[in-house]
Amino acid sequence: SQQGEEDPQALSIQEGENATMNCSYKTSINNLQWYRQNSGRGLVHLILIRSNEREKHSGRLRVTLDTSKKSSSLLITASRAADTASYFCATDGGGSGTYKYIFGTGTRLKVLA
Amino acid sequence: DSGVTQTPKHLITATGQRVTLRCSPRSGDLSVYWYQQSLDQGLQFLIQYYNGEERAKGNILERFSAQQFPDLHSELNLSSLELGDSALYFCASTRTPTGLGTEAFFGQGTRLTVV
Repeated sequence: SQQGEEDPQALSIQEGENATMNCSYKTSINNLQWYRQNSGRGLVHLILIRSNEREKHSGRLRVTLDTSKKSSSLLITASRAADTASYFCATDGGGSGTYKYIFGTGTRLKVLA
Repeated sequence: DSGVTQTPKHLITATGQRVTLRCSPRSGDLSVYWYQQSLDQGLQFLIQYYNGEERAKGNILERFSAQQFPDLHSELNLSSLELGDSALYFCASTRTPTGLGTEAFFGQGTRLTVV
């Protein structure tokens, strides 16, 4: 079963607006990552946040992590049409011997020009 | 370009057939992961190899098998194909076996269509 669930499943906004998507997961983690997938293509790594971090920034991206609620959010500021893609969170399942990235179901973002 | 190469990009085959998907990891990466993505779905983890050894198994059907060769490339074999096996199959690679705090680099995927 999926570890993560992204919310909302789909999001449509105007260019220049901010986009926020959320991810909830089930087990403890060592780190959480966000990936972007353009239609039918491979996933591109966006940002990694460790379990002892609460917030991280990278360019127009801001990620928060609340381990007590087992949730993370990805904020894209001043969105552009090129940000149109699906966004996935991925967790490692926690522990010291985990070997797999577990992906959520994704949020489909559409940015209208 | 992630540095991970998957071939072929597209594959169309009939039910009951067998296919092999190939993945070459990024230079220096020892760990390879295989994922299946059905239409508009998330990625389902199938299997992971590190330096030739299987390290983790996910929801991989018995009809599917994989291996990692000494040159670190990996192959995913899908047999007795069914219509429901139609999907995008992704390979990802990392330097470490645990992936802890490590970015995974993904290939562009192989789109398998079973008719």
